[in-house]
Amino acid sequence: DAMVIQNPRYQVTQFGKPVTLSCSQTLNHNVMYWYQQKSSQAPKLLFHYYDKDFNNEADTPDNFQSRRPNTSFCFLDIRSPGLGDAAMYLCATSRDGVRKLFFGSGTQLSVL
Amino acid sequence: SQQGEEDPQALSIQEGENATMNCSYKTSINNLQWYRQNSGRGLVHLILIRSNEREKHSGRLRVTLDTSKKSSSLLITASRAADTASYFCATGGPNDYKLSFGAGTTVTVRA
Repeated sequence: DAMVIQNPRYQVTQFGKPVTLSCSQTLNHNVMYWYQQKSSQAPKLLFHYYDKDFNNEADTPDNFQSRRPNTSFCFLDIRSPGLGDAAMYLCATSRDGVRKLFFGSGTQLSVL
Repeated sequence: SQQGEEDPQALSIQEGENATMNCSYKTSINNLQWYRQNSGRGLVHLILIRSNEREKHSGRLRVTLDTSKKSSSLLITASRAADTASYFCATGGPNDYKLSFGAGTTVTVRA
């Protein structure tokens, strides 16, 4: 089945140790998003790719970066994770002109 | 930035009862969507209503939209235990394809 896949499901990292979360999709959607969701809060958009064009939200910390090497894959890099970065990270996709988002199952990040 | 706000924050109902939750937003929209999130999982799209629509149905779901009041409601009829989840409204502006989510309503359906 076509879907959005996030790996790993759970990620534990140490304070200050770089970590990369991955997302892949078989939907061939041109837009990919990364959301951060803390407990009992709304998902917060960090950035998105429209095709190859990267779009950063104004309040996304510089500590967060992203790569999209091809249509199918997108990575979230956290250069120096702090305790406040512990959250669920959600990848989503959409097709241009269709506003419905397809989400992966998320990666729960813990920072020790 | 967060656009929608859901009300109530939490809702507990008996199986078979209806659940109603509301969403208010601040700026003009192209569409409003509702998503469900089971605990520790990703969000699943439920229904989309366009700004020129007033009501939409999908199975046991009924969504209304009042653009003059900048509000929407989601009704789940004949609730089941499997409906236990958090429900989020999300709005998309006229000129973008990003969605802004509200903080959600947590619904617990008791057997």
